[in-house]
Amino acid sequence: DQQVKQNSPSLSVQEGRISILNCDYTNSMFDYFLWYKKYPAEGPTFLISISSIKDKNEDGRFTVFLNKSAKHLSLHIVPSQPGDSAVYFCAASGRTNAGKSTFGDGTTLTVKP
Amino acid sequence: DTEVTQTPKHLVMGMTNKKSLKCEQHMGHRAMYWYKQKAKKPPELMFVYSYEKLSINESVPSRFSPECPNSSLLNLHLHALQPEDSALYLCASSQDQAGGPADTQYFGPGTRLTVL
Repeated sequence: DQQVKQNSPSLSVQEGRISILNCDYTNSMFDYFLWYKKYPAEGPTFLISISSIKDKNEDGRFTVFLNKSAKHLSLHIVPSQPGDSAVYFCAASGRTNAGKSTFGDGTTLTVKP
Repeated sequence: DTEVTQTPKHLVMGMTNKKSLKCEQHMGHRAMYWYKQKAKKPPELMFVYSYEKLSINESVPSRFSPECPNSSLLNLHLHALQPEDSALYLCASSQDQAGGPADTQYFGPGTRLTVL
């Protein structure tokens, strides 16, 4: 049973437009959510996070929205840039299982010039 | 400084070899992690060390042996590996293993391991 799901394996957007990456989770004990970005042959890089007590967190071009009732979060990138092309992983953790972040399968974002 | 370093970057080994992967961080983090990642898959947790003690072992085969000599260093000793163990091995660290923001993990670049 996959507790964190990213249902879109890939997403392609035009430079300057908005990219929206989605993530769903099933475990109601998750209370902290993260997005990581990964370039080929590199380790994941922490991008942005959100605690379950919030519904939005913004950092520059990146905004994460959390809908607890729907168990859904999304990452908005605006405006998208070609350098944003990478694999984006959603991850979730809970205090009852600290240290064990559960990752989604990732979404490959391609931003076309 | 949010850097985690890993050596070597690439490693090719035979099934009878013994080798070690090394990881280092100087962020004062007290939790360190080993992950295995196959192509087009998410990172798969192997081990977690918290305050230099092994706190999580995800039922990893004994041919993988972790070691945490001090709070900045993490090793993964490899022996008698199988070809299916070929993967990207990632090290990560976090402030603590307490949940919430303290769990935010910072990853190294990984070691690309090929077992022949």
